[in-house]
Amino acid sequence: KNQVEQSPQSLIILEGKNCTLQCNYTVSPFSNLRWYKQDTGRGPVSLTIMTFSENTKSNGRYTATLDADTKQSSLHITASQLSDSASYICVVSARGSSGSARQLTFGSGTQLTVLP
Amino acid sequence: DADVTQTPRNRITKTGKRIMLECSQTKGHDRMYWYRQDPGLGLRLIYYSFDVKDINKGEISDGYSVSRQAQAKFSLSLESAIPNQTALYFCATSDEAGIKGYTFGSGTRLTVV
Repeated sequence: KNQVEQSPQSLIILEGKNCTLQCNYTVSPFSNLRWYKQDTGRGPVSLTIMTFSENTKSNGRYTATLDADTKQSSLHITASQLSDSASYICVVSARGSSGSARQLTFGSGTQLTVLP
Repeated sequence: DADVTQTPRNRITKTGKRIMLECSQTKGHDRMYWYRQDPGLGLRLIYYSFDVKDINKGEISDGYSVSRQAQAKFSLSLESAIPNQTALYFCATSDEAGIKGYTFGSGTRLTVV
């Protein structure tokens, strides 16, 4: 069964500090991995999309890494801001000929709180 | 205006009532989805549609039905609501195969009492 595990479940940091969120997956065959940010009361918003051949991808202060061999990804947030407080969701897509929506597996998210 | 609009944003209903959640999108995508989010769990797929004439069950479709009225509109119905359907519901749309990611609505918080 395809699974996506995220850690930690929750994290509290001070404004200006860096943090790293982890995502381990057992999705096969792998197609791509996405990180989403979900603000409270809002829908998830895409941060990065990484395919098998990509090791690192940045989006401003967000940097995602992917190790397809160990099936791990991380999301590093640099110089955190209060607006970074949100849930961060890792989503892994399995490869298929029809691109079926059944192939997406969502992690349960890491709830990040940034304190002033 | 939002790319994906869900109505209502919040709804409280009684057990046994029929309720419809509506979704419209302005992305021009053919693919639309309904997900459910519960605390501590990842989003789970209820139904999806790849075009107006295509409707498919997701992993948790029991107790739900959908209607794709147009390319831009995809509604979710609970025929007879029950308390364990209390959750946050998200509509989403994507380009073909979701290569560019999914665009989600802001969600509908449904409470069944």
